[in-house]
Amino acid sequence: AQSVTQLDSQVPVFEEAPVELRCNYSSSVSVYLFWYVQYPNQGLQLLLKYLSGSTLVKGINGFEAEFNKSQTSFHLRKPSVHISDTAEYFCAVSDHGGATNKLIFGTGTLLAVQP
Amino acid sequence: EAQVTQNPRYLITVTGKKLTVTCSQNMNHEYMSWYRQDPGLGLRQIYYSMNVEVTDKGDVPEGYKVSRKEKRNFPLILESPSPNQTSLYFCASSPRTGLDYTFGSGTRLTVV
Repeated sequence: AQSVTQLDSQVPVFEEAPVELRCNYSSSVSVYLFWYVQYPNQGLQLLLKYLSGSTLVKGINGFEAEFNKSQTSFHLRKPSVHISDTAEYFCAVSDHGGATNKLIFGTGTLLAVQP
Repeated sequence: EAQVTQNPRYLITVTGKKLTVTCSQNMNHEYMSWYRQDPGLGLRQIYYSMNVEVTDKGDVPEGYKVSRKEKRNFPLILESPSPNQTSLYFCASSPRTGLDYTFGSGTRLTVV
């Protein structure tokens, strides 16, 4: 069965510092990978997704992620964070061509940006 | 505007009182799904539907029902809510490919 691990439940960082949010997945088949952001009291917004092709994926708000098949990782990075990036971030995986289109989520990482 | 609309946004109810959370999408998506979000557990799938009249259980279906009589609507029904169903609920839809999910704004349910 597929699973997604986000090792860090909370990541504190100072404004303008770089940040990396870690995501590892387990799957025996090809997968699609996603990062979603949830701002306080809001729904989920897609940051970026990896379907195929280039392993470096660029998303909205200056975020990017790198797909590493050998390490089964899809870490999210931003070179310089802002206070407004404070939110919860979820990594998710979906079967490539699976029958159910199910998104399996990690437990989330709260990014807390401090001035 | 393409969107998934959930109602209500907030709901407080008592144990055992049947309730329905509505979900509607205007994108003609085949696939719809319900998730619940709990602290430390992320989002877990409750039920999903691949098309009209086709529904199936997700990972945590106990205590919930769904129906898909029309393509745009996918209501979540709690026949006899219990306090352990206190949670934040999200409806989502996507085209058949499963590549472009759109999430609703969420329904925060409290069962006392």
